[in-house]
Amino acid sequence: NAGVTQTPKFQVLKTGQSMTLQCAQDMNHEYMSWYRQDPGMGLRLIHYSVGAGITDQGEVPNGYNVSRSTTEDFPLRLLSAAPSQTSVYFCATSDSNQPQHFGDGTRLSIL
Amino acid sequence: QKEVEQDPGPLSVPEGAIVSLNCTYSNSAFQYFMWYRQYSRKGPELLMYTYSSGNKEDGRFTAQVDKSSKYISLFIRDSQPSDSATYLCAPRDSGGYQKVTFGIGTKLQVIP
Repeated sequence: NAGVTQTPKFQVLKTGQSMTLQCAQDMNHEYMSWYRQDPGMGLRLIHYSVGAGITDQGEVPNGYNVSRSTTEDFPLRLLSAAPSQTSVYFCATSDSNQPQHFGDGTRLSIL
Repeated sequence: QKEVEQDPGPLSVPEGAIVSLNCTYSNSAFQYFMWYRQYSRKGPELLMYTYSSGNKEDGRFTAQVDKSSKYISLFIRDSQPSDSATYLCAPRDSGGYQKVTFGIGTKLQVIP
């Protein structure tokens, strides 16, 4: 039982490049979320999904796209990477009125 | 003013000490209160999960919520070096998908 799996663990990009951060869960949770964590800022919600085919914006959605075609997967896409998107990205899953469970993150550096 | 305020520390204590970690919040709609522990280069790990006001104990850990003063506490008894981590408080509202508001975390170091 892997829980929440995020890949890759580390990535270095050049400004303007695109990439997809993967998140997969095996807990059959209804809700999935993407956060970024920056020093002094805490965890900030980027996008979330309440079920397959349903996504919505969080606090800091600009520059990121998401889709959810299955219960298990919730990829986060950076269309044109910018240095301001250098951060640690966490995926979390949960069910209604239950706490979130986090993956171990993807460390992204944009040069 | 942030919706959840948490002192970032760092907080250094000797092994065996009782540790008190605290948060204040402003949103009276918060009903669920979570504490996460985050080790360096790892994801947040759920430590305590409580509903409404009151105390909840789990081993060496006690979570306390006072909704009247909007104050959340986590107590660690007999602290161990393995407790050295960042502790995040995370309150949220109830029903469906409710966005969680995280504190910035308090970094704790337990010195052997």
